[in-house]
Amino acid sequence: GQNIDQPTEMTATEGAIVQINCTYQTSGFNGLFWYQQHAGEAPTFLSYNVLDGLEEKGRFSSFLSRSKGYSYLLLKELQMKDSASYLCAPSGGSYIPTFGRGTSLIVHP
Amino acid sequence: DAGITQSPRHKVTETGTPVTLRCHQTENHRYMYWYRQDPGHGLRLIHYSYGVKDTDKGEVSDGYSVSRSKTEDFLLTLESATSSQTSVYFCAIAEIIGTDSNYGYTFGSGTRLTVV
Repeated sequence: GQNIDQPTEMTATEGAIVQINCTYQTSGFNGLFWYQQHAGEAPTFLSYNVLDGLEEKGRFSSFLSRSKGYSYLLLKELQMKDSASYLCAPSGGSYIPTFGRGTSLIVHP
Repeated sequence: DAGITQSPRHKVTETGTPVTLRCHQTENHRYMYWYRQDPGHGLRLIHYSYGVKDTDKGEVSDGYSVSRSKTEDFLLTLESATSSQTSVYFCAIAEIIGTDSNYGYTFGSGTRLTVV
């Protein structure tokens, strides 16, 4: 089975930086996804980490440490539109990701 | 754009009735998935398919069946709907996403099903 732990809710101020942590335990490991989901919409792909280290994509970065079973999503220069749920999804031996319950990020002015 | 469409977008049905949800894709993707999403549980895999007539169970498959007679269509059937199956259902496909040639999962817009 797979266990995924991420905070339920976080709040931050527009223009700030926020880090959303995720710890996981999987049977095998083949990569970790981060998805963004706005209320009432489908999840959309943000990043995929296979190797340890930081992957940077514009305002969003994702970090992975396979030995620690740990990942984080870093969001810089927060905008109001970044208010959404962020889903951590490690992929185990089946290559099918298991999704965490998500972290609801609220960005306020 | 993976060209995924789900139908219907919304449905209300009565307990005990059969319900079929459809997922249609236009780009010949091999792998297709059905998830349900509920408050407090996140996305949970119901069934998936790795080709025509090739399907397998996910973690919450009880009460659901699937069929894939054509590459483009993946059908999810609730044989006898129960109130516990009230949920938002998402279909997904696996494809190469973004400029780094990583594979990822693209989701359809979802079907909101209410069983009364």
